[in-house]
Amino acid sequence: ETGVTQTPRHLVMGMTNKKSLKCEQHLGHNAMYWYKQSAKKPLELMFVYSLEERVENNSVPSRFSPECPNSSHLFLHLHTLQPEDSALYLCASSQGSYRVNEQYFGPGTRLTVT
Amino acid sequence: SQELEQSPQSLIVQEGKNLTINCTSSKTLYGLYWYKQKYGEGLIFLMMLQKGGEEKSHEKITAKLDEKKQQSSLHITASQPSHAGIYLCGAAISSGSARQLTFGSGTQLTVLP
Repeated sequence: ETGVTQTPRHLVMGMTNKKSLKCEQHLGHNAMYWYKQSAKKPLELMFVYSLEERVENNSVPSRFSPECPNSSHLFLHLHTLQPEDSALYLCASSQGSYRVNEQYFGPGTRLTVT
Repeated sequence: SQELEQSPQSLIVQEGKNLTINCTSSKTLYGLYWYKQKYGEGLIFLMMLQKGGEEKSHEKITAKLDEKKQQSSLHITASQPSHAGIYLCGAAISSGSARQLTFGSGTQLTVLP
């Protein structure tokens, strides 16, 4: 499945580093998402970008900063992360509405914070 | 407790056996989405259910939505090793927006050949 791509696939970073995760969708969708998947925890929605909605989960720390320059690209800028931020970060896109919304996911970036 | 509870947490079945995975919400469901995930990879969309009593099938997988019970079930008939993976249910229950899905913790399915 190459509809939603994510780079890098794996990232190891120290707590003082700054890095960015990139997501690109080739499906012509109008909404993009960032999710965090930690071990033994449900998938957690972090951010939503669409023409109708921009949603930021209030529980997401400010050390995570999203950027959506256009409908095909989504970035997650990371700085001064903590070890508990180690997780699989998934990007998704959709072409739906407030009521109906099939999301298509990328393969994820496995992030390890040392 | 979680807003979306999946059961069982894990399931090991012999190839050819039928199985059912349940997803129960503590709040009103505005749409229920089933996904499959291979460990450490992205989610693959399986089915979406919107109306109470709705039932959808794809190959050997059938999903049903019982809106009154705020519950959905995923049934696999004659399981195969290719069905192995983590099954996740997601629903719009917090805001009603289908763009803000809440997910269950997943059911880990192992199919023994």
